[in-house]
Amino acid sequence: GAGVSQTPSNKVTEKGKYVELRCDPISGHTALYWYRQSLGQGPEFLIYFQGTGAADDSGLPNDRFFAVRPEGSVSTLKIQRTERGDSAVYLCASSLGQQETQYFGPGTRLLVL
Amino acid sequence: KNQVEQSPQSLIILEGKNCTLQCNYTVSPFSNLRWYKQDTGRGPVSLTIMTFSENTKSNGRYTATLDADTKQSSLHITASQLSDSASYICVVKAGGYNKLIFGAGTRLAVHP
Repeated sequence: GAGVSQTPSNKVTEKGKYVELRCDPISGHTALYWYRQSLGQGPEFLIYFQGTGAADDSGLPNDRFFAVRPEGSVSTLKIQRTERGDSAVYLCASSLGQQETQYFGPGTRLLVL
Repeated sequence: KNQVEQSPQSLIILEGKNCTLQCNYTVSPFSNLRWYKQDTGRGPVSLTIMTFSENTKSNGRYTATLDADTKQSSLHITASQLSDSASYICVVKAGGYNKLIFGAGTRLAVHP
């Protein structure tokens, strides 16, 4: 595809469950970012990958959140023991390199009941 | 603490009118400033990017200004259209960091 894609587009889960959110970056983009956006707020940084490695994970709120990018392309954000406060839109972005413009996907809307 | 503040929080204008959105930042060291447009239910899309040495940048009916001395930026929209209804987010990149610092956005509604 031409842009960043994310699946699922919507996810409803119950408190305490485990969820995985997937991001397919633009082909050839080495940098990949995850953000979380609460209602009425701008996105907040979670984690940044350069290739397969997490270059900066300082935005992950706690150890329930984890992300991987095993082959340097697709990334999965994993949330364990979900809490109602985890409800938000999770955005993924990719860029050609660290200094380049980030292109955002449409986001995954997560609702924890 | 690195912060980006935007005003107004929301704005309603009539189709065809102009408007100006404001952004103040306290980010150091400064690398660049971007304005993004985010339609409801979509990811943000970059409109303009300005570095320290640039005072103004245009993209169609969108014109962004930057005053690096006062750490202020504005986004001016000319002859607004219904499709301009969206959130406009000011984003600052700190030098040496990989992550962007986002403002909360201004929610613009253009009415016929």
